[in-house]
Amino acid sequence: KQEVTQIPAALSVPEGENLVLNCSFTDSAIYNLQWFRQDPGKGLTSLLLIQSSQREQTSGRLNASLDKSSGRSTLYIAASQPGDSATYLCAVRRMNTGFQKLVFGTGTRLLVSP
Amino acid sequence: DAMVIQNPRYQVTQFGKPVTLSCSQTLNHNVMYWYQQKSSQAPKLLFHYYDKDFNNEADTPDNFQSRRPNTSFCFLDIRSPGLGDAAMYLCATSASGGSGETQYFGPGTRLLVL
Repeated sequence: KQEVTQIPAALSVPEGENLVLNCSFTDSAIYNLQWFRQDPGKGLTSLLLIQSSQREQTSGRLNASLDKSSGRSTLYIAASQPGDSATYLCAVRRMNTGFQKLVFGTGTRLLVSP
Repeated sequence: DAMVIQNPRYQVTQFGKPVTLSCSQTLNHNVMYWYQQKSSQAPKLLFHYYDKDFNNEADTPDNFQSRRPNTSFCFLDIRSPGLGDAAMYLCATSASGGSGETQYFGPGTRLLVL
């Protein structure tokens, strides 16, 4: 059974800092890994999707890496801003299942203070 | 703008009183998903539709049912809500369930059971 863990559960940083969020998964047989952002009381917004054959993806100040063999992914946020405050969830798509079944972690709650 | 819409955003119901949550999409996607997310927990897939084909997760309680009358709409019916069913319910879509696709999430419906 695939399990996804995110550490830390919460993180507080001052504005401008670079930071790393961690995601680990127990079964390396995955199609892809996604990072989502969730604002309080809202739905999920996809940030980055990394295919199993890729090592990293970048979008603006965000960089996500994937080491499938070790079951780890990181989300790097450069020059953090108060608007980055949200919960960040990672999710893996399991192989040999239909229709993009995602298994989510419980998220890291990020607070960036001005 | 194309999007995933959920109504209502907040729903209060009484213990045991049936409730229906609504999701609609303008993306013309084939696949629609319902997730349950309890406080500080990971979203958990309840079921999904590929077109009209219904796929239930093995551990989804019988108390939860779903209908998809057409491509655009999908409903989540909770036949006899219990206190443990209080959660955020997230609807999502994807084009065809392929491995490289992103899931698009609605804003969610927060359900409170009194």
